Amino acid sequence: GAVVSQHPSRVICKSGTSVKIECRSLDFQATTMFWYRQFPKKSLMLMATSNEGSKATYEQGVEKDKFLINHASLTLSTLTVTSAHPEDSSFYICSAGLAGRSGANVLTFGAGSRLTVL
Amino acid sequence: AQSVTQLDSHVSVSEGTPVLLRCNYSSSYSPSLFWYVQHPNKGLQLLLKYTSAATLVKGINGFEAEFKKSETSFHLTKPSAHMSDAAEYFCVVSARNSGNTPLVFGKGTRLSVIA
Repeated sequence: GAVVSQHPSRVICKSGTSVKIECRSLDFQATTMFWYRQFPKKSLMLMATSNEGSKATYEQGVEKDKFLINHASLTLSTLTVTSAHPEDSSFYICSAGLAGRSGANVLTFGAGSRLTVL
Repeated sequence: AQSVTQLDSHVSVSEGTPVLLRCNYSSSYSPSLFWYVQHPNKGLQLLLKYTSAATLVKGINGFEAEFKKSETSFHLTKPSAHMSDAAEYFCVVSARNSGNTPLVFGKGTRLSVIA
């Protein structure tokens, strides 16, 4: 089945530094990947749609200069949290999928990356 | 726009008793619906999905859900809870009715299983 690998699983950084999170589709090519953010004890909120070879599409309220997304190949998308602040601390999850035979998407999620900004 | 409402933020059951996690959806077209489970500090795992085929969908670990269009519901059930079922459960609807699209998550229901 489709496998999505996310790295790092945990990262702690100082305020003001930038952190890069990688999302890889291991056994399939993903022209589209999605980045979600999950606050403690909250649901997942879609941040942006990452499109291979083009600019990401950000959801309303998500700062594109703060959360830089690069989808340089069909198997890799990266999310860079720039000039991180404590309020950026969160669980970030990526997903990718293949269109199912029924036409409905079935997304596979990475294991997530927990970012803690001190 | 598509949305899902999970009616209970927390459900507690005794081990061996049935589980019912409720979900209602809103969609402007025939929806694709999913249930995902998230164990503490883990990623998301797909339990089951409904994609306009059989209305009673069987998933992994003994879970199943029934799509009821008249009630706009997609409740998740399991006949007998196990301790390992304790986790956060998300009811999810596809954001758009085409190909590889993002998902809209409900707020989640935390399932506790008491020994």
